Amino acid sequence: EAGVTQSPTHLIKTRGQQATLRCSPISGHTSVYWYQQALGLGLQFLLWYDEGEERNRGNFPPRFSGRQFPNYSSELNVNALELEDSALYLCASSLQGRMNTEAFFGQGTRLTVV
Amino acid sequence: GDSVTQMEGPVTLSEEAFLTINCTYTATGYPSLFWYVQYPGEGLQLLLKATKADDKGSNKGFEATYRKETTSFHLEKGSVQVSDSAVYFCALSDLGSNTGKLIFGQGTTLQVKP
Repeated sequence: EAGVTQSPTHLIKTRGQQATLRCSPISGHTSVYWYQQALGLGLQFLLWYDEGEERNRGNFPPRFSGRQFPNYSSELNVNALELEDSALYLCASSLQGRMNTEAFFGQGTRLTVV
Repeated sequence: GDSVTQMEGPVTLSEEAFLTINCTYTATGYPSLFWYVQYPGEGLQLLLKATKADDKGSNKGFEATYRKETTSFHLEKGSVQVSDSAVYFCALSDLGSNTGKLIFGQGTTLQVKP
């Protein structure tokens, strides 16, 4: 069975541009979560989607946004990129709203803003 | 707010040594506790979990006991191997809030030398 898959693996963007990151959850999982892992800042919760709706978001500016599609895959969009947005972005999935039991992470997308 | 504190790394051990990575937490509710591991160049993998006080999670020779009286969830392994070299993250999730959010510690890098 395929795990959580993320694309692209690496992404290089210029400051001010937009980045789009994609995530496909494990089959049968309806919840998708996004985390930012920046150097020196640890793992920070970004967004939680379930059944196509945003259920919760972390302490990030509105230029971080996303959506979940009917097939439960998800996109994370980062507008007006800043240098400090450079980080590893991790996606995780679980059964509906069950982050506190079992969640599976993808390999991440390494975003570099220059 | 809820938080997780881990011992700072890196932790450097020789093969077959005993491992302890300390983790303490602050939470207003009754959180579930997790240890995740991140091998070089990979995403996070759930290593073990405990959902209530005095529960012991175990996997691949690692174990951790949920101690409510000391608000701790220390990770231990009796005999480490070179292949255990990775970054270990302690995390908590509050069942009651169902925020879809895991709160992570800063991570502890373990280096095991032959």
